[in-house]
Amino acid sequence: QVQLKESGPGLVQPSQTLSLTCTVSGFSLTSNSVHWVRQPPGKGLEWVGAIWSGGSTDYNSALKSRLSISRDTSKSQVFLKMNSLQTEDTAIYFCTRQGPYGSFHYWGQGVMVTVSS
Amino acid sequence: DTVLTQSPALAVSPGERVTISCRASESVSTGMHWYQQKPGQQPKLLIYGASNLESGVPARFSGSGSGTDFTLTIDPVEADDTATYFCQQSWNDRTFGGGTKLELK
Repeated sequence: QVQLKESGPGLVQPSQTLSLTCTVSGFSLTSNSVHWVRQPPGKGLEWVGAIWSGGSTDYNSALKSRLSISRDTSKSQVFLKMNSLQTEDTAIYFCTRQGPYGSFHYWGQGVMVTVSS
Repeated sequence: DTVLTQSPALAVSPGERVTISCRASESVSTGMHWYQQKPGQQPKLLIYGASNLESGVPARFSGSGSGTDFTLTIDPVEADDTATYFCQQSWNDRTFGGGTKLELK
C-alpha cells in the first residue's frame, strides 16, 4: 500500500540548514509528484514545495530563496533542504503524494522540527 | 498568492447539518479540496475537485462551489467529526485556508 515516512533531525540551530528525507513505498516517484507541507505548532498548513513526476520543482515564493527539493528515484526518497533557518521555521513537516485535481492524497505522519539554540 | 478565507470556529449539535465555507481571493475554478485534521494526526483528504468524495469517506460529507466560493457540508454531524477542516486550492500554486475548528455541543 502507499506509504510516506519523513525523517530528519528534531532540533536545528538558528541559521543552520535543515535536511529532511521522505521515504515512499507502494508507488513510483517517476509517475507521481510529492509535495512538502508544514504546520507550525497550533497553526494552519503551509505548502512548502513540490517535485513533479518528471523531476522539475516548484517552491513557495516566500521560501524559494532558501529551499531545495530533490529526489533519488532508485531509493524512493525525496529530500528537502532549507537553509538559514529561523525560529519561525519551527513546524511539523509533512510529505504528501499528489492526488486527483491537484489534491494531497496520501500523507506521511510528519516530523517535528524545532529551531532553537 | 491566492488567499483562502475560512471562519475560525463553529459549534453544532450532533445530528445537525453544518456548512463550512471557504472564500478565495481570486477564481480557482474547481481546484478546491477539503481536509479533516484531528489533533496529533496528519490531514485526511475528504473532497477533491470541489465536489468529488474521496474513497472511503462517509457520504455525510459533501462539497460544492466553483470560482471563489466553496462549501463543505456535513449532514448529519456525528461526535467523531470534531476536528479542524482546511480548504486548499490547486489552481494557482498551492495554498491553504486558515482552518475551521468544528466543535460539538
